[in-house]
Amino acid sequence: GAVVSQHPSWVICKSGTSVKIECRSLDFQATTMFWYRQFPKQSLMLMATSNEGSKATYEQGVEKDKFLINHASLTLSTLTVTSAHPEDSSFYICSASLRALSSYEQYFGPGTRLTVT
Amino acid sequence: GNSVTQMEGPVTLSEEAFLTINCTYTATGYPSLFWYVQYPGEGLQLLLKATKADDKGSNKGFEATYRKETTSFHLEKGSVQVSDSAVYFCALPVGGGADGLTFGKGTHLIIQP
Repeated sequence: GAVVSQHPSWVICKSGTSVKIECRSLDFQATTMFWYRQFPKQSLMLMATSNEGSKATYEQGVEKDKFLINHASLTLSTLTVTSAHPEDSSFYICSASLRALSSYEQYFGPGTRLTVT
Repeated sequence: GNSVTQMEGPVTLSEEAFLTINCTYTATGYPSLFWYVQYPGEGLQLLLKATKADDKGSNKGFEATYRKETTSFHLEKGSVQVSDSAVYFCALPVGGGADGLTFGKGTHLIIQP
């Protein structure tokens, strides 16, 4: 149980275009979903926290107008990278939390590799 | 906010060797501490956790003890297997009431037969 999927697993887009990444909790309802970013040989960095039906909370230094997050249901959150540039190329990972299970325990998706050309 | 420092790899060991991956943290209060593992081509999985000082988390032969005196949460295993080859991340909540996690840089463990 507690499976999280992401789609697509990898995407290549041209500079200036927008890309949407989906994160789904497949077998549980996630009260909270998180988006992380991972650069090569670097750690995961929290970008934002989203709760179903409310606006996402962004970490300091993350542009909310560039990284649009929508958490429309308890099983789906989307991250849209708007007007993508090569420096946005990275590995984006989502996770989902059901706080009733255990404090802060999160279930991670497999990640999406974004390459902006 | 909270932060974590983790030994960087790669760490290469022979099968059945003893493993230690060091992790130290800086935090306000006494947050839960976690070790996550990422096998090749897969997402991060929770390996073990400890929710308070002196707790020992354990799973699949791995152990880690929450040491508030040394602010450490070192990961250990007595006898590693080839199947333990993966990247290991130490993590704790970012702090400030947020639920997101802050991670160490990850340690790539390679076990040779």
